Amino acid sequence: AQKVTQAQTEISVVEKEDVTLDCVYETRDTTYYLFWYKQPPSGELVFLIRRNSFDEQNEISGRYSWNFQKSTSSFNFTITASQVVDSAVYFCALRNAGNMLTFGGGTRLMVKP
Amino acid sequence: EAQVTQNPRYLITVTGKKLTVTCSQNMNHEYMSWYRQDPGLGLRQIYYSMNVEVTDKGDVPEGYKVSRKEKRNFPLILESPSPNQTSLYFCASSRFGNTEAFFGQGTRLTVV
Repeated sequence: AQKVTQAQTEISVVEKEDVTLDCVYETRDTTYYLFWYKQPPSGELVFLIRRNSFDEQNEISGRYSWNFQKSTSSFNFTITASQVVDSAVYFCALRNAGNMLTFGGGTRLMVKP
Repeated sequence: EAQVTQNPRYLITVTGKKLTVTCSQNMNHEYMSWYRQDPGLGLRQIYYSMNVEVTDKGDVPEGYKVSRKEKRNFPLILESPSPNQTSLYFCASSRFGNTEAFFGQGTRLTVV
């Protein structure tokens, strides 16, 4: 069985602060894929990034960056200089080789002006 | 435009009255699935389908049925809805492997 844990259920920051959302996963597979999705207040799920288990290179996209560490089974997401528009629920997810997609419980991020 | 379309977006129904939530994708994806989202529990998979006529249970299948008669459609059927099925439902489709899942807009279901 696979599992994704997002220990932070809710985070509140003030605009322009940096914030890191944690994601820890469990899987027995050697081939797997990791994802982050954003769910703004409007409710839709917006894809942010994917990583496969063989690619530990970190990625930066504007104010967003992702740190994948296989040794600690973590795939953390950092927002630099947060903005009010970043307020949303963020989900980390894991897909195994059999295509089963498992989500974490989500982290609600509130960015205050 | 590539998309997954769910209908209806909102539904209020009474206990025991059969309902169907439709899901259609235009990307020729093999894999489709249904999730329900409840506070603090994230998204939990109800059923999934690897291809036409191939469906299987996810983590929380009780009280739900699905069918996959065509590649593009994957309806979710609640034969006898109960209040504990009040939730936000998402349909998703994807190819296999290192590709993201595309999600529908969600269906907010209330069973009274």
